[in-house]
Amino acid sequence: DQQVKQNSPSLSVQEGRISILNCDYTNSMFDYFLWYKKYPAEGPTFLISISSIKDKNEDGRFTVFLNKSAKHLSLHIVPSQPGDSAVYFCAAKGDGSGNTGKLIFGQGTTLQVKP
Amino acid sequence: NAGVMQNPRHLVRRRGQEARLRCSPMKGHSHVYWYRQLPEEGLKFMVYLQKENIIDESGMPKERFSAEFPKEGPSILRIQQVVRGDSAAYFCASSPPNDNEQYFGPGTRLTVT
Repeated sequence: DQQVKQNSPSLSVQEGRISILNCDYTNSMFDYFLWYKKYPAEGPTFLISISSIKDKNEDGRFTVFLNKSAKHLSLHIVPSQPGDSAVYFCAAKGDGSGNTGKLIFGQGTTLQVKP
Repeated sequence: NAGVMQNPRHLVRRRGQEARLRCSPMKGHSHVYWYRQLPEEGLKFMVYLQKENIIDESGMPKERFSAEFPKEGPSILRIQQVVRGDSAAYFCASSPPNDNEQYFGPGTRLTVT
């Protein structure tokens, strides 16, 4: 039962353009969403997050949008840089109790930014 | 402020041996989480601990796996009688109390031969 899905295994964009990474979820109890970036042989690095009470959060070149009715979130990176090339994971947490710390991860999307 | 520390970074064990993976959380973080990433897959939650307490172990296999986070010292993930299917990257994350963001260590790559 894949509660968090990233349906695009890979994405390739030109340097300077916008990268849009998508994530869908099925559990309406999720109340917090996070994006992580991961390089090979390293741990995931936290990028940006959003609470379910918001629909947008922005931090520099990174913006996360949340559409609760569609159970969909996206990460926008603009402008994209070659150093952004990595695997991006979407993650969600929450079971309605406010007590769980467990993150549910998507399968990841490999982003390649071409110079 | 040092990040989450994990050791060893690489661990090779023969089938039937024990594997011990260590995690030191970031300073000020009292919550520790363990995740496993199998090849070509995303990270899967294993266990959530606070000092001397297991809060959620719903992702832990029922046998051979155990975790602890003692009052003093690092958190330990212990795998007894390892099998080839245990080969994976094991990541530890930590967070302060009442914080939604989790910060990950570099991982331990376990290879079972």
